[in-house]
Amino acid sequence: QVQLVQSGSELKKPGASVKVSCKASGYTFTTFAINWLRQAPGQGLEWMGWINTNTGNPGYAQGFTGRFVFSLDTSVSTAYLQISSLKAEDTAVYYCARTYYESGTYYNEYFQYWGQGALVTVSS
Amino acid sequence: EIVLTQSPATLSLSPGERATLSCRASQSVGSYLAWYQRKPGQAPRLLIYDASNRATGIPARFSGSGSATDFTLTISSLEPEDSAVYYCQQRRDWITFGGGTKVEIK
Repeated sequence: QVQLVQSGSELKKPGASVKVSCKASGYTFTTFAINWLRQAPGQGLEWMGWINTNTGNPGYAQGFTGRFVFSLDTSVSTAYLQISSLKAEDTAVYYCARTYYESGTYYNEYFQYWGQGALVTVSS
Repeated sequence: EIVLTQSPATLSLSPGERATLSCRASQSVGSYLAWYQRKPGQAPRLLIYDASNRATGIPARFSGSGSATDFTLTISSLEPEDSAVYYCQQRRDWITFGGGTKVEIK
C-alpha cells in the first residue's frame, strides 16, 4: 500500500538549518508529485509548494521562497524539505503529501496520501 | 490569495442526524474545491474533490455540492466515527485551506 514516512521531530536553534525527509513506498515514486504543507501551532494548514518527481523541478508558494528548498533522491524514493536560517515562526508540523489519482487523471492539487508529519521546533 | 471561510466552527449532533458544513470563498474557485476529514493524531483524508466527486473508498453518506463561492459538505447520517475536523481546500488560485469545522457526536 502507498505510504509516506517522514523523519522525526527536530529541535533547532534560530539561524540553524533543518532537513526533513519523506520516503515513499507502494508506488512508482516518479509518477506523482510530492507537495509540502505545514501547520503551525493553533494555525491552519498552509501549502508550501510541490516538486515534480520526474523532472526535479520545484514550485514554491508565496512566502516560501528563498529559505525553503525541495529536493529529491529518486534512487531511494525520497523527497526532502530543507529550511535554512530558521526562525521561531517556522515552528510547525511539516507534512509531505502525494497527489490524487483516479481513473487515469492526476489531480495534482488534491492530496490523497500524507506523511505522518514532522514537528520542527525552533527555540533558543 | 483566496480566503476560505468555514462555518459553523463547531457542530454538535447525534448519530443518525444530518450534518451540513459550509465553505465560502472570497472569490470564485469554480468547482476546484475539496473537502478533507482530519481526526486527532492522523493526517487529513481526502473526502470530496472538484466540489462534488467522492474520492476513492469514501462512503456514500458524504456528499459535496456548490460552485463558485459557496460550497457544502453534507454527511447524510452521522456515524460515531465521523467525529473529526473537516477542512475545505481550493486549487483555483494556488492552494489554500479553510480554518475547519469541528463535528462532535453527542
